[in-house]
Amino acid sequence: ETGVTQTPRHLVMGMTNKKSLKCEQHLGHNAMYWYKQSAKKPLELMFVYNFKEQTENNSVPSRFSPECPNSSHLFLHLHTLQPEDSALYLCASSPTGLAGGPTTDTQYFGPGTRLTVL
Amino acid sequence: KQEVTQIPAALSVPEGENLVLNCSFTDSAIYNLQWFRQDPGKGLTSLLLIQSSQREQTSGRLNASLDKSSGRSTLYIAASQPGDSATYLCAVSGNTDKLIFGTGTRLQVFP
Repeated sequence: ETGVTQTPRHLVMGMTNKKSLKCEQHLGHNAMYWYKQSAKKPLELMFVYNFKEQTENNSVPSRFSPECPNSSHLFLHLHTLQPEDSALYLCASSPTGLAGGPTTDTQYFGPGTRLTVL
Repeated sequence: KQEVTQIPAALSVPEGENLVLNCSFTDSAIYNLQWFRQDPGKGLTSLLLIQSSQREQTSGRLNASLDKSSGRSTLYIAASQPGDSATYLCAVSGNTDKLIFGTGTRLQVFP
């Protein structure tokens, strides 16, 4: 257990559905991340939040909508997805660095949500 | 744009063998390099972190080296065990909060 939990672990949805992925961290970190892992592709950073503020949007389509109500919770709201969005979605958290920004030194990952879009 | 490549993509070895996983990156201006392990159905676990000023890090049977100028890192696993079977990911970071990952090496160690 890394202290980062994700629900649901598996999700199957149609292209017209609306669903949400949830991530919760119990590590006292202030930075949280969403990553996408597709088959045979590198892990891709999607969003970064630091102290509840979004600091990075890596050109992610608007059908993915993140929400960070507090430093412990991160959501990814999904609507009108495409089959190519099927992937493993990983959440991570980290402490902030000396400069107050997120740090790459110690990111803790959750187990992921396996998403299938039909 | 930083790109990270891992070779081989898959590796199958008998128990007890020493093995080397390779990682290369195109931009040598990195802040650090990490090796992660990913088990099926689970997230990533950080194995070793090498700061840009370091040459290697060791943890148990694992040893990771970094040659920043040539854009290469290796992960050496000594006396491999079936429990080492997993996907191993290499990731580098520049001066931002981003980790850039390779596609991974899927390792199977059979008894």
